[in-house]
Amino acid sequence: AQSVTQPDIHITVSEGASLELRCNYSYGATPYLFWYVQSPGQGLQLLLKYFSGDTLVQGIKGFEAEFKRSQSSFNLRKPSVHWSDAAEYFCAVGAGTGRRALTFGSGTRLQVQP
Amino acid sequence: DAGITQSPRHKVTETGTPVTLRCHQTENHRYMYWYRQDPGHGLRLIHYSYGVKDTDKGEVSDGYSVSRSKTEDFLLTLESATSSQTSVYFCAITDRENTEAFFGQGTRLTVV
Repeated sequence: AQSVTQPDIHITVSEGASLELRCNYSYGATPYLFWYVQSPGQGLQLLLKYFSGDTLVQGIKGFEAEFKRSQSSFNLRKPSVHWSDAAEYFCAVGAGTGRRALTFGSGTRLQVQP
Repeated sequence: DAGITQSPRHKVTETGTPVTLRCHQTENHRYMYWYRQDPGHGLRLIHYSYGVKDTDKGEVSDGYSVSRSKTEDFLLTLESATSSQTSVYFCAITDRENTEAFFGQGTRLTVV
């Protein structure tokens, strides 16, 4: 069975600073990988996804993520954080076959300091 | 925004009572899911459906049942609510398995 680890529960960055949120997955084959963002009291919104091909994927709101098979990682990055990026971020993995849903990490809460 | 409506949005119920949460979609997507969100656990899959009358269990299905009699509706039932089922419940839909999921706004359930 697949699993996802987000080692950072809480991260604080200054506005304008760069950001990297870590995600490690466990799955035997090439997984489908996703990053979602959740603002307080809201549902989840997809930031970006990786299915195959180019390992650097671009998403909405200026986010990007890089798939590294050798490290089983799919870290999320943004070069310059805005105060509106404060939210909780979830990494998720989907198995390639079968009728299974996504497995989510426990999330990383991002706080942005002025 | 994807056409997903969860009802109710908030509910307080007593231990031992039955509770049904509803998820309604207007996208005609085949796959529907119920997750629960708890601090420190992210989202965990309760049940999912891959078509009318076709459902299967997820990671945390004990104490929950589901039904899907129409493409657009997916019901989650707590037969006898317990305090451990206090959580925020999210419905999601996808057009195919393991592709982008669209989420509802969530239902906050408190069992007292």
